[in-house]
Amino acid sequence: AQSVTQPDIHITVSEGASLELRCNYSYGATPYLFWYVQSPGQGLQLLLKYFSGDTLVQGIKGFEAEFKRSQSSFNLRKPSVHWSDAAEYFCAVGSLKTSYDKVIFGPGTSLSVIP
Amino acid sequence: DAGVIQSPRHEVTEMGQEVTLRCKPISGHNSLFWYRQTMMRGLELLIYFNNNVPIDDSGMPEDRFSAKMPNASFSTLKIQPSEPRDSAVYFCASSLAVQRRLPGELFFGEGSRLTVL
Repeated sequence: AQSVTQPDIHITVSEGASLELRCNYSYGATPYLFWYVQSPGQGLQLLLKYFSGDTLVQGIKGFEAEFKRSQSSFNLRKPSVHWSDAAEYFCAVGSLKTSYDKVIFGPGTSLSVIP
Repeated sequence: DAGVIQSPRHEVTEMGQEVTLRCKPISGHNSLFWYRQTMMRGLELLIYFNNNVPIDDSGMPEDRFSAKMPNASFSTLKIQPSEPRDSAVYFCASSLAVQRRLPGELFFGEGSRLTVL
C-alpha cells in the first residue's frame, strides 16, 4: 500500500528566506504526487502535481517541487517566502486501483513565517 | 463558478444525537470524497463516490457512519448516534478525472467543524 511521510511537523522561516518542505513516499509503481496547502479555517488547495515527464514541476504562488525517484522524494521549494505562505502543507500520493483513483495524504507540515 | 459547498460550517451537538453533513460538489465533477481531519489522525478518507456510486467505504469508522449520493449534485454524511470522538472537521471534495487512469485534482469545500459534547 502507498504511504506518505512528511518528516517535519513544524517549520519556522523568516520572511524572504528560502523554503524546502520534505516529502517521502512509498509506492510500488510510478506515483502520482501532489502538494496541497491549507490556510486556517479553509479547505485544501492544490499547489502543484506530478504525473510524468519533467521531474521539476512549477505550481501556483511561486512554489516548485522536484520528483526524485531514487530518493522516493517530492520536496516542495520556494526561493523567497512571504508572510501569507504561513499555512499547513500536505504532500499526497495518488493510487490507481482497479477502476478508481484514491489520494492518500501525508500528516502535514505547519509553516510559520517570522516577519 | 461556485466551488464545493458544505453545510453546516459549524455544528455543536450532544452525544447520541444524529448529525447530517451536506455537500454540493462542483457541477460536472464525477468523483466525490468525504475526508475527516483531526489533530491525532490527520486527513482520513472516509468514502469515495464515482458517478454517484459508492466505490470505497473502507475508511468509514463504523456502522454509525453512513453516506449517500442520491444525485450528481448532492451528498450527505450522517452520524447516528454521534459520540465525542467524532469531533473533527469533515471535508467534502470533488474532482473530475479527465483520463481514466489519472487521479483528478481535488477541490475541497471549507469543511464542517463538528463538536460532539
